[in-house]
Formats: sequence, structure tokens, C-alpha cells
Amino acid sequence: AQSVAQPEDQVNVAEGNPLTVKCTYSVSGNPYLFWYVQYPNRGLQFLLKYITGDNLVKGSYGFEAEFNKSQTSFHLKKPSALVSDSALYFCAVRDVTNDYKLSFGAGTTVTVRA
Amino acid sequence: DTAVSQTPKYLVTQMGNDKSIKCEQNLGHDTMYWYKQDSKKFLKIMFSYNNKELIINETVPNRFSPKSPDKAHLNLHINSLELGDSAVYFCASSQRGQETQYFGPGTRLLVL
Repeated sequence: AQSVAQPEDQVNVAEGNPLTVKCTYSVSGNPYLFWYVQYPNRGLQFLLKYITGDNLVKGSYGFEAEFNKSQTSFHLKKPSALVSDSALYFCAVRDVTNDYKLSFGAGTTVTVRA
Repeated sequence: DTAVSQTPKYLVTQMGNDKSIKCEQNLGHDTMYWYKQDSKKFLKIMFSYNNKELIINETVPNRFSPKSPDKAHLNLHINSLELGDSAVYFCASSQRGQETQYFGPGTRLLVL
């Protein structure tokens, strides 16, 4: 079965500093990987995805993620964090046997302090 | 211009009651989903319909019954509500061949 792991429950950074949210995956075959963000009392919003091609994927709100096959990682990054980036971030992987099914990580709470 | 909408936004009810949550999407997608997010924010798929056909049915108590009257709507009916059903329920939609799922704002269910 495929799965993703987010090793950090919380990430705290100062505004203007780089932000990294970690995700590792376990998939038999080629992974389809996603990042979503959930702001307080809101639904999940799609940030970016990796399907194939360039290992560096650019997404919404200045976020990007790097797919690393050798390290089975898909870390989310932003060069300069904003206070408004404070939210809950989820990594997800698509099921290889069911195209419709996503398995989500446990989430990482990001707090950006002014 | 709400893409995926859910009603109600909040639902407070007593144990043993029956309640329904409604979801509508205006994105023209052919697939819809129900997810449950527990108190620890863990997110898990419950059901999915593609063109009104049930395609994902996870190990969910049979007190939960989804219904899809058409491609744009997916409702969730819950019988005999229990304390453990308290959670946030998210609806989502996608188009086959497009991997991205779009989520609604959630329905916060509290069972007393």
C-alpha cells in the first residue's frame, strides 16, 4: 500500500526566512504526489502536484516542491515565508490501484512569526 | 462563484438522531468524495462516486449512506449518530483524468 509520512507535527519560522515542510512517500511504481493547505476553519486548497517531468514543481502562493526519487521525498518549500502562510499542510499520494483515492499524511502545522 | 459547497456549515445534534449533509459542485466534474477529518486533523476518505456510481467505499459503519442524485451532488446521510461521529466532513470533486481534487469548506458535526 502507498503512504506518505510527514515527520514534523509543527514547523516554526520567522517571517522572511525560508520554509520547508517535509514529506516522504512509499509507493510501488511511479508516485503521484500532492500538497494541500488548510487555513483555520477552511477546506483544503490545492497547492501543487508532481506527476512526471521536472523534479522541481512550482505551485500557488510562491510554493514549490522538489521530487527526489532516491530519497523518496517530496518536500514543500518557500524561499521567504509570510505570516499568512501559517496553516496546516498536507502531503498526499494517489493510490496506484485506484486512481481516485488519495492517502494523506498526518499534516504539519506551520507557524510563521512576525 | 463557490466551486464546491456544503450545507450545513455547522451541525449540532443529539446522540441517536439522523442527519444529512449536502454537497454540490459547479465545476462540471464527474467524481465526488466524502472525507472525514477527526479531532487530530487526520483526513480519511470515506466514499467516492463517479457518474453516480459508487467507486470507493472504505470501512465505514453502515450507518453512513451516501447518495448521488446526479453528477453535481453528493449527499451523506448518517443514522443513529454517535459521539465518535463528531468530526469535520469534507466534500471534494475531481474530473477523471485530472488528478487534482477540489474541496468544500467542510461541515462541522458535533454530537452531544
